[in-house]
Amino acid sequence: DTGVSQNPRHKITKRGQNVTFRCDPISEHNRLYWYRQTLGQGPEFLTYFQNEAQLEKSRLLSDRFSAERPKGSFSTLEIQRTEQGDSAMYLCASSAVGSEETQYFGPGTRLLVL
Amino acid sequence: SQELEQSPQSLIVQEGKNLTINCTSSKTLYGLYWYKQKYGEGLIFLMMLQKGGEEKSHEKITAKLDEKKQQSSLHITASQPSHAGIYLCGAVPSGTYKYIFGTGTRLKVLA
Repeated sequence: DTGVSQNPRHKITKRGQNVTFRCDPISEHNRLYWYRQTLGQGPEFLTYFQNEAQLEKSRLLSDRFSAERPKGSFSTLEIQRTEQGDSAMYLCASSAVGSEETQYFGPGTRLLVL
Repeated sequence: SQELEQSPQSLIVQEGKNLTINCTSSKTLYGLYWYKQKYGEGLIFLMMLQKGGEEKSHEKITAKLDEKKQQSSLHITASQPSHAGIYLCGAVPSGTYKYIFGTGTRLKVLA
């Protein structure tokens, strides 16, 4: 399967713990995006990478959130000191330059903070 | 900032019926994307529209972008239970690569 993959698919954690999610984009895609989706809402943009450079961050991305894409391939999203309000679906997407900017999404990681 | 509004928010139709979902933008659209999402899963790309008046079809789903490029519609002909899910429109605001999304339309098709 050459689509976008995300791990884990589900994560339950206690408030105050740190969590890390991984995204593997489609191999030839150099742009990678993270979104957060809460129940009944559309996805909200968090951050975006072109290759290894993080080019844009949303104000939603507080100091507790950090994302990396060290080699321009897979990316990780870490949330430190999780809060109950962080409970959401975290979606990763990737796109290729010149592809009409169509983003292809992974299955998401559903986070529940107790 | 640009915003997308979808209507209706939810829709229940009998199998075989036609339906239309609308997406209205507060600013000119330079690219309009339609996705489908099943509950608890990722988004599946359906179609992308870029030019005013453009229309694209895939199987029984047709999407149009109006001439002024501020509204798009998604039309499903002869709906089936497999069409059930959440339909989301997305757009790329000028000067960025991120998407903004509407809040989605939840479709249920009764067999």
